[in-house]
Amino acid sequence: AQSVSQHNHHVILSEAASLELGCNYSYGGTVNLFWYVQYPGQHLQLLLKYFSGDPLVKGIKGFEAEFIKSKFSFNLRKPSVQWSDTAEYFCAGLTYNFNKFYFGSGTKLNVKP
Amino acid sequence: DVKVTQSSRYLVKRTGEKVFLECVQDMDHENMFWYRQDPGLGLRLIYFSYDVKMKEKGDIPEGYSVSREKKERFSLILESASTNQTSMYLCASSRGGTSSYNEQFFGPGTRLTVL
Repeated sequence: AQSVSQHNHHVILSEAASLELGCNYSYGGTVNLFWYVQYPGQHLQLLLKYFSGDPLVKGIKGFEAEFIKSKFSFNLRKPSVQWSDTAEYFCAGLTYNFNKFYFGSGTKLNVKP
Repeated sequence: DVKVTQSSRYLVKRTGEKVFLECVQDMDHENMFWYRQDPGLGLRLIYFSYDVKMKEKGDIPEGYSVSREKKERFSLILESASTNQTSMYLCASSRGGTSSYNEQFFGPGTRLTVL
């Protein structure tokens, strides 16, 4: 079955620390992967997406993610987090018919000032 | 900018009531989706629609139905609300087909409480 999993449910970091949030997917074939962010009280918005080409994808607000096919992973990274990065982060994958998303369970990031 | 709007931000209903949640998008997207978001469970797909009058069940359709009479509007219906349907409900839309612009755009959510 197609699925996306996030193993870190809650991460606490101090400002300026580096961030890596894990995401693994479990289906083969064409892979389309996304990271969404939900700031407190706001709607989900797209951070970045991977469809093909360069496996290192850069998104908004200094975030990047690397698609590693051999590890079925699409981890989100940021070299230096800020207090304003406090949010919940969701990894998602598109199914083979490009219409249905599978979301991970989310990771809550709490950045201490 | 794509806009997805939902009829209410907060809603309180009683057990057994029929509840309508409305979603409207303004970008002529073919696909529309309803999710519920619960702590620790992420987003779970209830129903989606890839065209007017078309619908498909998602992962947790029980207790819900949907209606899509116009391309821009997708309604979620709780036929007889129960307390376990207390949740945050998110609507989303996306283009259809195999376009690279298949990212989903989300509405602000409706926090439904069933007493």
